[in-house]
Amino acid sequence: DIQMTQSPSSLSASVGDRVTITCRASQGISNYLAWYQQKPGKVPKLLIYAASTLQSGVPSRFSGSGSGTDFTLTISSLQPEDVATYYCQKYNSAPPTFGPGTKVDIK
Amino acid sequence: QVQLVESGGGVVQPGRSLRLSCAASGFTFSSYGMHWVRQAPGKGLEWVAVISYDGSNKYYADSVKGRFTISRDNSKNTLYLQMNSLRAEDTAVYYCAKDQAWEVGATTDGGFDYWGQGTLVTVSS
Repeated sequence: DIQMTQSPSSLSASVGDRVTITCRASQGISNYLAWYQQKPGKVPKLLIYAASTLQSGVPSRFSGSGSGTDFTLTISSLQPEDVATYYCQKYNSAPPTFGPGTKVDIK
Repeated sequence: QVQLVESGGGVVQPGRSLRLSCAASGFTFSSYGMHWVRQAPGKGLEWVAVISYDGSNKYYADSVKGRFTISRDNSKNTLYLQMNSLRAEDTAVYYCAKDQAWEVGATTDGGFDYWGQGTLVTVSS
């Protein structure tokens, strides 16, 4: 099975900072990659699919890029409401594995 | 609007069984793949099982293979997870989630666009 890794595992940044999270697949997955946001005590929310397509209603400060094995999620200007854990997920085939998550908080 | 409502969680002894249900509404249930995802306390998301739109294809995480069974009743708009031989490590919040596609890998326009609120399963003696 394809394994997903994320870095960093956690980060602390100031409001307004540009934040980048990296996700890596152990084998190529084309652009079959999604990003989710899970706020504390809440249900996961789909942010991005097909590596770079923003889900409806998601703020434009979120963006995704990459293809093959290396992907990034970027928050262009971190806001207090972005405090959450972010997960990548590959879905080119079963199992649709999640990455271990990146916890983002405010410095 | 899309709603997914899980039920059936609770406290159960190791080795016993439990069946979870997920009632769906607000979309054409029979057109989409459906998943179970779990999250142990303080841990990350773990995908558990998927069933294709028509029930013809099912896949399981290695950690539950042979113990859990996913099924669906498209006439009742309901997804199920039968959990047998439960272990302490199965303790988690279980979410049902709707796939954007009819089955995993069918299209790049995938991912899980709607999630239920989750139901807690605690396996303890």
